[in-house]
Amino acid sequence: SQKIEQNSEALNIQEGKTATLTCNYTNYSPAYLQWYRQDPGRGPVFLLLIRENEKEKRKERLKVTFDTTLKQSLFHITASQPADSATYLCALDEGYSTLTFGKGTMLLVSP
Amino acid sequence: GAVVSQHPSWVICKSGTSVKIECRSLDFQATTMFWYRQFPKQSLMLMATSNEGSKATYEQGVEKDKFLINHASLTLSTLTVTSAHPEDSSFYICSARPGTSGTSYEQYFGPGTRLTVT
Repeated sequence: SQKIEQNSEALNIQEGKTATLTCNYTNYSPAYLQWYRQDPGRGPVFLLLIRENEKEKRKERLKVTFDTTLKQSLFHITASQPADSATYLCALDEGYSTLTFGKGTMLLVSP
Repeated sequence: GAVVSQHPSWVICKSGTSVKIECRSLDFQATTMFWYRQFPKQSLMLMATSNEGSKATYEQGVEKDKFLINHASLTLSTLTVTSAHPEDSSFYICSARPGTSGTSYEQYFGPGTRLTVT
């Protein structure tokens, strides 16, 4: 069966450290993988998109890697800040332009 | 840029009544809009894909006669929950994909609508 797995437990880190979140998938062949941020009671906010032929993408303090052999994406936030505390969702697009979301990982950055 | 609004942000209705939720792309045109539902601590589940000027495509298990979708223009899609029941209580979120040529892949989400059916 198809699965998208993100760390189910909250990730607690200290301000200034690098947060690394994992997204693993099974029985999907994504053409694109996207990362979103969701705050409580709000809709997701688009962060980064990475294509299947790209290994890494960066945007300011964010970095995403995509390993289609391992079927895994890693999402990094460097120099994390308390304002980065939120739930981060990965989403797969197999090329049909519809997204399938993971359940998300909650990140808590303490001062 | 790329702002999507939803209205209302929350609504309480009685069982058996219908509720309409609007989704608007404020500063871009979107041929395609999407409707999701999210239960607490669960992932977003795609309900349907809405294309301007044509019928919506519903995901398996979503009743098209219960969840009516109208995508009347390149900036507006509506979801009507008909004959709502308490189990329809959820967080409904729309998104829009920029462009009319299908070359954009990121989606921009609205703030969501919290529906409570009593």
